[in-house]
Amino acid sequence: DGGITQSPKYLFRKEGQNVTLSCEQNLNHDAMYWYRQDPGQGLRLIYYSQIVNDFQKGDIAEGYSVSREKKESFPLTVTSAQKNPTAFYLCASSFRENYGYTFGSGTRLTVV
Amino acid sequence: AQKVTQAQTEISVVEKEDVTLDCVYETRDTTYYLFWYKQPPSGELVFLIRRNSFDEQNEISGRYSWNFQKSTSSFNFTITASQVVDSAVYFCALSEPYSNSGYALNFGKGTSLLVTP
Repeated sequence: DGGITQSPKYLFRKEGQNVTLSCEQNLNHDAMYWYRQDPGQGLRLIYYSQIVNDFQKGDIAEGYSVSREKKESFPLTVTSAQKNPTAFYLCASSFRENYGYTFGSGTRLTVV
Repeated sequence: AQKVTQAQTEISVVEKEDVTLDCVYETRDTTYYLFWYKQPPSGELVFLIRRNSFDEQNEISGRYSWNFQKSTSSFNFTITASQVVDSAVYFCALSEPYSNSGYALNFGKGTSLLVTP
């Protein structure tokens, strides 16, 4: 079955460590997105990528980095520069812009 | 910047009641797309509907219906005869241009719906 896989589901890290969240899709979608969800804040866009080897900052890109070397994969690195990294992170993809997104099941990151 | 407002933070209803979730948006674009998503307790967002700005017909899908009013910039979502399984957080979203490269969804803060037996 086609879909988006985010791993791991839960992730714990010590403060000051970089951590990479995985996002893989087998839907043959061109566009991929990373969102952060905090209680009462809705979803906020971190980065997005419309095609391979290209990505753009969203509203809250500071402290995060991404790469898009393959169409299927869009990993997100949460760096030590991110002041408040504890959150629920959602990856999504779409066939093209303005189409509905397919979301992964999310990664809950806790930094202690 | 474009904006999506879901004024209702939480709604609680008893099973079989009808419930309407409000969504108001702001945009300067003449062509735009609106979406509704459902987030059950499992966390994964589920796509419900996509509507473009040129299609003002209301849509019904089973117990779900959507009322798009361009004149008031609203795209409200009604669940008829609610069920416990409808309990979730519902998000309204607007497709928004980012920088000079592409579009992405700008989400409202969501409405948490609790349906009790």
